[in-house]
Amino acid sequence: RKEVEQDPGPFNVPEGATVAFNCTYSNSASQSFFWYRQDCRKEPKLLMSVYSSGNEDGRFTAQLNRASQYISLLIRDSKLSDSATYLCVVTLYNFNKFYFGSGTKLNVKP
Amino acid sequence: DGGITQSPKYLFRKEGQNVTLSCEQNLNHDAMYWYRQDPGQGLRLIYYSQIVNDFQKGDIAEGYSVSREKKESFPLTVTSAQKNPTAFYLCASRDLGGASDTQYFGPGTRLTVL
Repeated sequence: RKEVEQDPGPFNVPEGATVAFNCTYSNSASQSFFWYRQDCRKEPKLLMSVYSSGNEDGRFTAQLNRASQYISLLIRDSKLSDSATYLCVVTLYNFNKFYFGSGTKLNVKP
Repeated sequence: DGGITQSPKYLFRKEGQNVTLSCEQNLNHDAMYWYRQDPGQGLRLIYYSQIVNDFQKGDIAEGYSVSREKKESFPLTVTSAQKNPTAFYLCASRDLGGASDTQYFGPGTRLTVL
């Protein structure tokens, strides 16, 4: 069983749409959670950390549900520049290993 | 400029040859990591190091070797024992004592074995 599972998509949405991604993790001992963004043929870049209380950064909102072991990312008012693959990442208590999901691809169309 | 550099960006090698990928960081980060990414898949951990002269195997270490002689440098050697070495290789670093526990990535090396 994979540590982190994501819907690979692609999610094809028009500009201005709201889109949500979910990610589930298998280990209840997971401690830290992140969303990374990866553009085609580039390295992943941190989008935001995910906290238990939920957090927001502009058009992006991340939520954590420990009971159901999933995290979510909501993007409001999608822009063309949001087109990318979004990776869900979790770490275990010792932070030595980061487990990456295979990513969800988002295509924002004009 | 502070950051992580990887070289070369693209690398072509013949089957059976060893090849070494460079990773350097000037962020003064303690921990460094090597990942492999295949099309449509997530990153898989090859090796990681938390301190100079020490490193640990990740989930797919077979056919790879590393060294950590300096804090700034963590080169990865892809040996001829690696059965399917063509992939995108990413190096990352993390500040163990910092406020942020996240990883920062270099631009990657795309290795093609012919």
